[in-house]
Amino acid sequence: QVHLVESGGGLVKPGGSLRLSCAASGFTFSDYYMTWIRQAPGKGLEWVSYISSSGDTIYYADSVRGRFTISRDNAKNSLCLQMNSLRAEDTAVYYCARGGYSGWWIYWGQGTLVTVSS
Amino acid sequence: EIVLTQSPGTLSLSPGERATLSCRASQSVSSNSLAWYQQKPGQAPRLLIYGASSRATGIPDRFSGSGSGTDFTLTISRVEPEDFAVYYCQQYGGSRTFGQGTKVEVK
Repeated sequence: QVHLVESGGGLVKPGGSLRLSCAASGFTFSDYYMTWIRQAPGKGLEWVSYISSSGDTIYYADSVRGRFTISRDNAKNSLCLQMNSLRAEDTAVYYCARGGYSGWWIYWGQGTLVTVSS
Repeated sequence: EIVLTQSPGTLSLSPGERATLSCRASQSVSSNSLAWYQQKPGQAPRLLIYGASSRATGIPDRFSGSGSGTDFTLTISRVEPEDFAVYYCQQYGGSRTFGQGTKVEVK
């Protein structure tokens, strides 16, 4: 059974940093692309970034490029998102999802809330 | 970037009625690379349709997707009580973008 659990969310001041993690289980993590998707409170979904199974191919949305860094540790079945220079508009629930190469996502975590506010 | 516009914003229906949700793209979506998701409050999205018309595993056949190019439709043939939710389209022909959502609510 595929299980994705995000952690690391919280309250941070504008300009600050936060590191999100996603612990994966129930599948061979190293076989799959992984993706971060976010949803601002009461708003729609926004794709943030995805990383290939080996980590050598990475894409970012324009809104986060240069500020966010996606990474993975296949030995620990873990996905991370390092978020720097945070802005109020980065406030959202951040979901990790399995896949990305195919273009759609079947398995999602329950999300972790990031709030950027002074 | 391909912009997806969903309509209507809100659809008010009674159980048993037919729901027709529209998703229009700002430019042609290559290879019908379009998916639909359902999201209920406090939950992660659930994949319904991919490839514009292929149902994901376990999705009831009352859900169907159609369309090509720039115009896509999600149809719920007879809305069940558990179908009241927000629905999003998403394209993956280029980058990955979502529509703003259509809320299907109880009339």
